[in-house]
Amino acid sequence: ETGVTQSPTHLIKTRGQQVTLRCSSQSGHNTVSWYQQALGQGPQFIFQYYREEENGRGNFPPRFSGLQFPNYSSELNVNALELDDSALYLCASSPGTGKGKAFFGQGTRLTVV
Amino acid sequence: AQRVTQPEKLLSVFKGAPVELKCNYSYSGSPELFWYVQYSRQRLQLLLRHISRESIKGFTADLNKGETSFHLKKPFAQEEDSAMYYCAIPLYSGAGSYQLTFGKGTKLSVIP
Repeated sequence: ETGVTQSPTHLIKTRGQQVTLRCSSQSGHNTVSWYQQALGQGPQFIFQYYREEENGRGNFPPRFSGLQFPNYSSELNVNALELDDSALYLCASSPGTGKGKAFFGQGTRLTVV
Repeated sequence: AQRVTQPEKLLSVFKGAPVELKCNYSYSGSPELFWYVQYSRQRLQLLLRHISRESIKGFTADLNKGETSFHLKKPFAQEEDSAMYYCAIPLYSGAGSYQLTFGKGTKLSVIP
C-alpha cells in the first residue's frame, strides 16, 4: 500500500506566474483534499475532489483551481501568484466523503518571490 | 462561526510530567473531533478521534460538551512526544463533502 505522494517538494516562483502541484492519493482512496498551511498556522482547506468533481471549497479565490483524474490523482493550480501564496501545500486523501481519517502527503513548499 | 481554538502556541513540560494540550470548539450539533500530530520532518498524521475512545501512544482525549472542549492528555510525557499537535473538526462544506478545520496548533516540547 503506497501512501500519499506530492511533487515537487520545493518550488520557487515569481509573483504573477502560474504553478501546478501534483498529488497521488493513497491506493483505494477516491477523495482528495488540498490544504494551505502558512507559517505558524494550521492547515486551511482549499477544496476537495470526489470522483473527478469538485465537491467542496474553502474561502479561496478562483485563481486556485484543481483537477482530479480517473486514477484519483489530483492537481492544484494557482494562477497569478501573489507573495501571500507562499506556504506549504498539503494534499490529503481519504475513502468516501472525507469525514473520517485523512492521510496526508509530505507537502509542497511554495515560495513566491 | 464553527471553529476550533488551541490557546497555547507552545507548551514545555519535563519528561515524566503530565501533559494537557487544550482544544475548545464552537459547533452547533454533535461534533466529531480529531487530534492530528506532526513529528519533526514527518507528515501530518491522525493521532486519535473521539468516537474511537481509544488511547494512542498513551494519549487520550475526552469530549466535554458542557465545556465544549476536547483536551489531549497524557499522564507521563516522553521525549518522543515532542511535536506539533493540531485539533481538528470536520465541517460540512456542501455536496456531501467535509472539510477538516484545524486549530493553529500547539508545539509540545518535552524537556529531558
